[in-house]
Amino acid sequence: DIQMTQSPSTLSASVGDRVTVTCRASQSISSWLAWYQQKPGKAPNLLIYKASSLQTGVPSRFSGSGSGTEFTLTISGLQPDDFATYYCQQYNSYPITFGQGTRLEIK
Amino acid sequence: QVQLVQSGAEVKKPGASVKVSCKASGYTFTSYYMHWVRQAPGQGLEWMGIINPGGGSTRYAQKFQGRVTMTRDTSTSTVYMELSSLRSEDTAVYYCGRSPNYCTDGVCWFAPWGQGTLVTVSS
Repeated sequence: DIQMTQSPSTLSASVGDRVTVTCRASQSISSWLAWYQQKPGKAPNLLIYKASSLQTGVPSRFSGSGSGTEFTLTISGLQPDDFATYYCQQYNSYPITFGQGTRLEIK
Repeated sequence: QVQLVQSGAEVKKPGASVKVSCKASGYTFTSYYMHWVRQAPGQGLEWMGIINPGGGSTRYAQKFQGRVTMTRDTSTSTVYMELSSLRSEDTAVYYCGRSPNYCTDGVCWFAPWGQGTLVTVSS
């Protein structure tokens, strides 16, 4: 199975900051990576697919980059609504696997 | 609009089975794969398996092989996930999630997701 490792586990930031979350795969997954945002008590919401493609309706302050084994999710100009938990997911092969999550909290 | 609506919360005793439903609307049901993902309290996301609503074929994560069964009813555009021999560690929110129809064998991202179904296993 492909292991996905996110860092950091928790990130403290302020409104207006630019933040980056990293996701590393245990083997190359090309660009087959998605990012989700999850708020308490809600289902995950797709932000980015194919490493850097923005899902329809997602604000442009979210961006993704990377290929192979290292990927990043960047949020430019944090808004109050962005404080949530973020997960990466690989879909290079079965079984589909997720990172352990990064909790973005208000500093 | 595309919508996935799941069945309500369940409380089960250890050793019992649970069957969760996910009713799809707003698109051609048989043209898109459906996945199941679960999330234990305070934990991350865990992929359980996939069903092709068109032909009914399934693929399960090895961890759940022998305990999980995914089925579909095309007449009601509903997929089901049944988990048997429940134990306390199966207490979690269970989600269905649709993947795009152009992904080979359904291995893809998920959008949208159902609202989730809390299954509590307790004696």
